[in-house]
Amino acid sequence: GEDVEQSLFLSVREGDSSVINCTYTDSSSTYLYWYKQEPGAGLQLLTYIFSNMDMKQDQRLTVLLNKKDKHLSLRIADTQTGDSAIYFCAEMDSNYQLIWGAGTKLIIKP
Amino acid sequence: GAGVSQSPSNKVTEKGKDVELRCDPISGHTALYWYRQSLGQGLEFLIYFQGNSAPDKSGLPSDRFSAERTGGSVSTLTIQRTQQEDSAVYLCASSQQGGNEQFFGPGTRLTVL
Repeated sequence: GEDVEQSLFLSVREGDSSVINCTYTDSSSTYLYWYKQEPGAGLQLLTYIFSNMDMKQDQRLTVLLNKKDKHLSLRIADTQTGDSAIYFCAEMDSNYQLIWGAGTKLIIKP
Repeated sequence: GAGVSQSPSNKVTEKGKDVELRCDPISGHTALYWYRQSLGQGLEFLIYFQGNSAPDKSGLPSDRFSAERTGGSVSTLTIQRTQQEDSAVYLCASSQQGGNEQFFGPGTRLTVL
């Protein structure tokens, strides 16, 4: 079945860029998403990209999509302590269902 | 309200008891989703309601789980004869018909002792 994979942890120094990677298997996915979950809080949509795009930039966030390799990445420039959270990658399949990765915990070192 | 709300925020119950979790979607959103998030895991799809169509129940893990949506708005997820493995955060999301963005509620943390 469809699957979304991401590494469980990423540790970066404050001020550096963070790059969170995700791979997926569904070639018919329409949209791909990045959600952020802070401790004790609900899921917050950070950004999404339509499958016919290869890049989307929004302030400190840059999303890159390589559809051929089914690889999605989220780059956070100038990472701050407030960026500490779990970041979930998700893809929308042809039935409008979201298929989720297990989440990447971003750890910020001072 | 402005966003998706869920109640209760926390629920502690004894093994074997039934629980009901409630979700109030964003007004006007026709699609409603229930997910389960176990500790350290991604989201597991449970059930999907879209307007007046029959719900997609393909994610419900057992017949102890059921959900309904009254009047196309509020939804209740019921877990009968709870087991310890049911302990998780249950998340509800809603979206506009055909919309590509799901808006999530804060979740209900269920603990089964």
